Amino acid sequence: DAGVTQSPTHLIKTRGQQVTLRCSPKSGHDTVSWYQQALGQGPQFIFQYYEEEERQRGNFPDRFSGHQFPNYSSELNVNALLLGDSALYLCASSFSGAEAFFGQGTRLTVV
Amino acid sequence: KQEVTQIPAALSVPEGENLVLNCSFTDSAIYNLQWFRQDPGKGLTSLLLIQSSQREQTSGRLNASLDKSSGRSTLYIAASQPGDSATYLCAVPYYNQGGKLIFGQGTELSVKP
Repeated sequence: DAGVTQSPTHLIKTRGQQVTLRCSPKSGHDTVSWYQQALGQGPQFIFQYYEEEERQRGNFPDRFSGHQFPNYSSELNVNALLLGDSALYLCASSFSGAEAFFGQGTRLTVV
Repeated sequence: KQEVTQIPAALSVPEGENLVLNCSFTDSAIYNLQWFRQDPGKGLTSLLLIQSSQREQTSGRLNASLDKSSGRSTLYIAASQPGDSATYLCAVPYYNQGGKLIFGQGTELSVKP
């Protein structure tokens, strides 16, 4: 079992551009959540997907959007990137509310 | 509103010492509490999950306790090793089990040889 996998591991984008991050959940998991972690801070919840629908959303602007595919994999899209979007983006998967497992993260740098 | 706090923010101990990391939460109506380890620039590794009906959970040299009434959890690490150096985070689900996790800011642990 490969666990939760995220791609890419690192990314550098220019302010104003758009970015797509990808996540494959752990085998057997049906729920995917995305978090943003700034340096020295705990992760902040962005949104959660279940059965291809956004089930919960955190306090993030509409520039942050997502999608879940029938195979439970997920994408996080961020439009009109700001310098403040630079962070580690974490994906977590779980099955029906059980223990959450996280991927290794995608480090996004906006210049 | 659920808030999670971890004290201290950083801790440095000599190798072999037993240590305790603290996590407190403001709303005692939690479903469970999860402890994670994070190495610099990496993702989170789940260490222990304690259900609300449990008081303790153990894995190897790690023991986590939960006291819902006082809004506290502790992570006890026995016989610390340099390889234990990392940031330790605790998290509780907000509003419903399986929902978003509310994290503390973490305790950065350094174990000196």
